[in-house]
Amino acid sequence: ETGVTQTPRHLVMGMTNKKSLKCEQHLGHNAMYWYKQSAKKPLELMFVYNFKEQTENNSVPSRFSPECPNSSHLFLHLHTLQPEDSALYLCASSPGQGFVFWPQHFGDGTRLSIL
Amino acid sequence: SQQGEEDPQALSIQEGENATMNCSYKTSINNLQWYRQNSGRGLVHLILIRSNEREKHSGRLRVTLDTSKKSSSLLITASRAADTASYFCATDEAGGAQKLVFGQGTRLTINP
Repeated sequence: ETGVTQTPRHLVMGMTNKKSLKCEQHLGHNAMYWYKQSAKKPLELMFVYNFKEQTENNSVPSRFSPECPNSSHLFLHLHTLQPEDSALYLCASSPGQGFVFWPQHFGDGTRLSIL
Repeated sequence: SQQGEEDPQALSIQEGENATMNCSYKTSINNLQWYRQNSGRGLVHLILIRSNEREKHSGRLRVTLDTSKKSSSLLITASRAADTASYFCATDEAGGAQKLVFGQGTRLTINP
């Protein structure tokens, strides 16, 4: 149990569907992250929120829309996805972006498949 | 741009042997971290070494950092079947936006 919970664990959707991924952390952290993990590619940072404010958007297509209503919850809203968006989406949290010597804690991810 | 690059990409050894994985990076860093990922699971933090440290131990893990060569190594001693996983290094770039950049990882298989 890492203290970071992601739901759903698996998601299959068509290209025209709209779905959302959810991440919740119980660690009292103030920074939350979305990563994309594709086969044979390094983990890619997508978005960062620090104290509910978005501090990083790593040139992510607009079909991915993040939302951070509070420091404990992070969502990734998906719409009109492409087959190349099939991947493992990982959420992570850390005490805050200013805590440079603290590790990130990861959830187990959502395995997304686009038909 | 990709920061950490692990070597080898895959490693298969017998249980009880030591496993060594290497990581190279390109820029000055605040710290370097190693993570483990079991199949179908998220990443688990193993150890963090600061840029002013040269070696760090945690149980059966030993990490070294050579900032002059921009490289790090992770040594797992007396390997066990449960150590089978992918191992990633991640760097926090000095003066940057305090975000981790991960390498592609080393797939370690421990044969019983």
